[in-house]
Amino acid sequence: QQPVQSPQAVILREGEDAVINCSSSKALYSVHWYRQKHGEAPVFLMILLKGGEQKGHEKISASFNEKKQQSSLYLTASQLSYSGTYFCGTDILNAGGTSYGKLTFGQGTILTVHP
Amino acid sequence: DTEVTQTPKHLVMGMTNKKSLKCEQHMGHRAMYWYKQKAKKPPELMFVYSYEKLSINESVPSRFSPECPNSSLLNLHLHALQPEDSALYLCASSRPTILRDTQYFGPGTRLTVL
Repeated sequence: QQPVQSPQAVILREGEDAVINCSSSKALYSVHWYRQKHGEAPVFLMILLKGGEQKGHEKISASFNEKKQQSSLYLTASQLSYSGTYFCGTDILNAGGTSYGKLTFGQGTILTVHP
Repeated sequence: DTEVTQTPKHLVMGMTNKKSLKCEQHMGHRAMYWYKQKAKKPPELMFVYSYEKLSINESVPSRFSPECPNSSLLNLHLHALQPEDSALYLCASSRPTILRDTQYFGPGTRLTVL
């Protein structure tokens, strides 16, 4: 049930854009995106909910295709501070149409931004 | 205040020791979580507490024993651990509305089992 992220790693120069994808084999209630820097806790970026609601940072955008069970995170005009490992966490839709109440994280995408 | 605190930051223990990890939040969140994270791997859910009751146990070995004494505090009691249990242990909290809101993570406790 672990979602699959792609690519595994991305190298950018400052100012360039990147897209990170997250794909699930199960129908999803929500997708959560986090960034983790080495030795630190994961930091919340974005939640995308079944039905179209989104909550997150102004400078980061994401999409959630419920039919395809996929989400994408869009990082535009990247900054050095964007470097880190990006995780998507998925909450699977239960038989009652709501949440199981737990996140399963993808394997992560390592993003490196160079000056 | 969106802070989750964890103590200690680092812990080294032998396989016969008993120790505890502590997690605290004062955001009024009623759901709290323990995750285990090995190097270069994603966090793996261990336990979920909702309104101070254990709601999810991801088949974690009994040498890990969680406890939620009140709505602000979460403990993880450790006993007879194995070297492969060495990892970063993360605590998180959220409003309990079935994951419609973010989980806030603490900085973690880095555990080494000798």
